[in-house]
Amino acid sequence: AQSVTQLGSHVSVSEGALVLLRCNYSSSVPPYLFWYVQYPNQGLQLLLKYTSAATLVKGINGFEAEFKKSETSFHLTKPSAHMSDAAEYFCAVSPGAGSYQLTFGKGTKLSVIP
Amino acid sequence: EAQVTQNPRYLITVTGKKLTVTCSQNMNHEYMSWYRQDPGLGLRQIYYSMNVEVTDKGDVPEGYKVSRKEKRNFPLILESPSPNQTSLYFCASRPGGGNTEAFFGQGTRLTVV
Repeated sequence: AQSVTQLGSHVSVSEGALVLLRCNYSSSVPPYLFWYVQYPNQGLQLLLKYTSAATLVKGINGFEAEFKKSETSFHLTKPSAHMSDAAEYFCAVSPGAGSYQLTFGKGTKLSVIP
Repeated sequence: EAQVTQNPRYLITVTGKKLTVTCSQNMNHEYMSWYRQDPGLGLRQIYYSMNVEVTDKGDVPEGYKVSRKEKRNFPLILESPSPNQTSLYFCASRPGGGNTEAFFGQGTRLTVV
C-alpha cells in the first residue's frame, strides 16, 4: 500500500522568499507523484506531476519539484513567493501504471506574509 | 470546457434526511471517485468507480452509497446523514490510471445538524 507524508501542516514565508513544501512517500512499486493546489473555496488543480521521464519537474506558476528515489521524497519549491501563492498544497501518489488509486497527503497550508 | 460539475455547492440538512450530491463530467473519463476533506486529515476516498456499474469502497465508505448508471454521472447518496458527515466533499475523474491527472469538482460543503 502507498502513503504520503507532508511535513508541516502550516508553512509561512515572506513575500519574495523561497517556498519549500515537503513530501515523502512510501510505495511498493515505482510511483507516480503529483502536487495539487487548492485555492480558497475552490477544488484541487494540478500543479505538476512526476512520471519518471525526468527527476526535476516544472509546473505552473513557477513551481518545481525534484524526485529523489534514495530519499523517497518529492519536495515542492518556488524561488520567490508571491501573495497569490497562498493556498493549501497536497502531495499525492499513484502506485504505477494501470493503478487508478490516488492517495493524498494531509496537506500543507501556505501563508505568504507581505 | 472540460469540467467536473457538482451540485449543490452548499447544503445544510438535518440528521436522517436522505440527500444526494450529484457529480457529472464531460470528458468521457472511465474513473470517477468521491473524497471528503476534513481539517488535518486531508482528502480521504469514500468510493470509486472504474466504469459503468463498477463501484468499490474507498477508505471511508460507511454511511455512503454511490451508483454509476451512466459514464458521465456518479452521484453520492447519504441515506441517513449524521453530524459526523459534516464535511467538504469532492468528486474527481481521471481518464486512466498511473500518471494521468485527476480533475476535481468545485466541492460541496455539507452541514448536518
